[in-house]
Amino acid sequence: AQSVSQHNHHVILSEAASLELGCNYSYGGTVNLFWYVQYPGQHLQLLLKYFSGDPLVKGIKGFEAEFIKSKFSFNLRKPSVQWSDTAEYFCAVRSGGSYIPTFGRGTSLIVHP
Amino acid sequence: DVKVTQSSRYLVKRTGEKVFLECVQDMDHENMFWYRQDPGLGLRLIYFSYDVKMKEKGDIPEGYSVSREKKERFSLILESASTNQTSMYLCASSFGSGSNQPQHFGDGTRLSIL
Repeated sequence: AQSVSQHNHHVILSEAASLELGCNYSYGGTVNLFWYVQYPGQHLQLLLKYFSGDPLVKGIKGFEAEFIKSKFSFNLRKPSVQWSDTAEYFCAVRSGGSYIPTFGRGTSLIVHP
Repeated sequence: DVKVTQSSRYLVKRTGEKVFLECVQDMDHENMFWYRQDPGLGLRLIYFSYDVKMKEKGDIPEGYSVSREKKERFSLILESASTNQTSMYLCASSFGSGSNQPQHFGDGTRLSIL
């Protein structure tokens, strides 16, 4: 069965620090990759997605992620975080043709002002 | 904009009760999903449906059932609620297989079983 690992469960940063959240998956075939964000008290919403083409994907609010096929990774990055980035972040992977994505366990990010 | 609406934000029930959680989406999505979200465990799939009256078990279906009589509505049923079903429940929807579109989520129902 496919699995998704998010290595950092809790991350605490100060404003303006750089962010990188790791995501690795186990499936070897064609994949669709997603990062979702859940701000406190809000629903999960899509940050960015990768289906094909340029492996460097840009999303909303200055986030980007890079798909490295050889490493089965899809790490999320932001050069300078803000207090408003405090949220829980989920990586999800869907194998090609499947209905169902597999989610990682999530990373809780706290940004101190 | 896609809207996934869950009937309740907060719900308190007693053990042994039959509990219904309702979800409605307005984008004609084929797929609908029920997850539970627990701290440190991420999202775990309970059931999903890829068409009206069609359903398949997810990773943790025990103690739950679902109903999809209309395309826009997907109900989660706790047949006899137990305290270990206290959790946040999330509904999601998406277009059918082969689509490159992501899931859209509701606001969640925080369910407490006393």
